[in-house]
Amino acid sequence: SAVISQKPSRDICQRGTSLTIQCQVDSQVTMMFWYRQQPGQSLTLIATANQGSEATYESGFVIDKFPISRPNLTFSTLTVSNLSPEDSSIYLCSVARDRGEKLFFGSGTQLSVL
Amino acid sequence: SQQGEEDPQALSIQEGENATMNCSYKTSINNLQWYRQNSGRGLVHLILIRSNEREKHSGRLRVTLDTSKKSSSLLITASRAADTASYFCATDGETSGSRLTFGEGTQLTVNP
Repeated sequence: SAVISQKPSRDICQRGTSLTIQCQVDSQVTMMFWYRQQPGQSLTLIATANQGSEATYESGFVIDKFPISRPNLTFSTLTVSNLSPEDSSIYLCSVARDRGEKLFFGSGTQLSVL
Repeated sequence: SQQGEEDPQALSIQEGENATMNCSYKTSINNLQWYRQNSGRGLVHLILIRSNEREKHSGRLRVTLDTSKKSSSLLITASRAADTASYFCATDGETSGSRLTFGEGTQLTVNP
């Protein structure tokens, strides 16, 4: 298994500001992903966090809005920039030990933008 | 793109009854996974079934996979109030590199 610490668990932010979410894993993992879950909806993949290189973004998500860092195999950050009320969602970090394996999820960050 | 569709969207049953949730998908897969989510927080992995498997069991859970119909079902037997949660299927496509695509989810309510 993998234990994931995701911080903060929730935050309320003002429009135009940014929020950085941290994801710390208790052991090295190959795959790290960031998902968004809008209220009452399913999960949508934002990007794959690549160790030591730029993240791979899914269609509809761009680096300027969602910059991601992954300096090593146990840590990643997601920043949600220039916040608007439409960014109010749960953001989830997830990891997999290897391709084709199950995902482990952090407990999520509940973001509310006023 | 979101390829998983689940039905029903919501299911309400009594304790002790069985709950069946269905998932359909559109593209070829390496595996299909089921997850559970309580109160909009982190997801917990329940079971993974690979494309060459047809049925898998884990405790009170039974998952089937029909790749010809591109569908899967999750059966929870002898349900308990603690099973109340949202259940999601997720597909790992053949070219996805473990980037899972999640279904819309089924909200299960088990009444005591």
